[in-house]
Amino acid sequence: DIQMTQSPSSLSASVGDRVTITCRASQRISTYLNWYQQEPGKAPKVLIYGASTLQSGVPSRFSGSGSGTEFTLTISSLQPEDFATYFCQETYSTSWTFGLGTKVETK
Amino acid sequence: QVQLQESGPGLVQPSETLSLTCAVSGDSMSSYYWGWIRQSPAKGLESIGYSFYSGTTTYNPSLNSRVTISVDSSKSQFSLTLSSVTAADTAVYFCARIRTTVGGVFADSWGRGTLVTVSS
Repeated sequence: DIQMTQSPSSLSASVGDRVTITCRASQRISTYLNWYQQEPGKAPKVLIYGASTLQSGVPSRFSGSGSGTEFTLTISSLQPEDFATYFCQETYSTSWTFGLGTKVETK
Repeated sequence: QVQLQESGPGLVQPSETLSLTCAVSGDSMSSYYWGWIRQSPAKGLESIGYSFYSGTTTYNPSLNSRVTISVDSSKSQFSLTLSSVTAADTAVYFCARIRTTVGGVFADSWGRGTLVTVSS
């Protein structure tokens, strides 16, 4: 099974901050990597697919990079609506494993 | 804009079969995969499996022996059955539309989720 390790598990930031979240795969997954945002009590929402492609309608302050085993989600300037939990997901295997999430909290 | 809505029992007895349905509205089911994902405090987000509208299915190997996903395009719905459930299957179950592109595969639309508790 592919393991997806996200770091940090939580972070505190302020509006306007640049935020970076990392996801590491236990084996190479090319660019079969998605990022989702989830607000409390809601379903996840896709932000980035294919490691770096911005989903339609998602603000350009979100960006993704990486390939192989190491991936990054960056929020260039944190907005009030961005305080949420972020998950990575691999779709290289048939398990489609998710990371455990990174909770972005207000400082 | 596609909308998805899960329905089914909120309480299932241990060793019984969990059955959920996802109603799809606002778009055709053709040309897409349709899947189920669950979320629990213990395991986090976990993909259960997905099915092409024509019936080709792929399941998470960890659940493969207990899962069936089927699509009924004529009724604009798809379903999940999970047999021999235990307390570990207690979770919020989401249905989702799966998009496949040159750039990747991802769930682009989700239902609101339904809590299923396994308990006697």
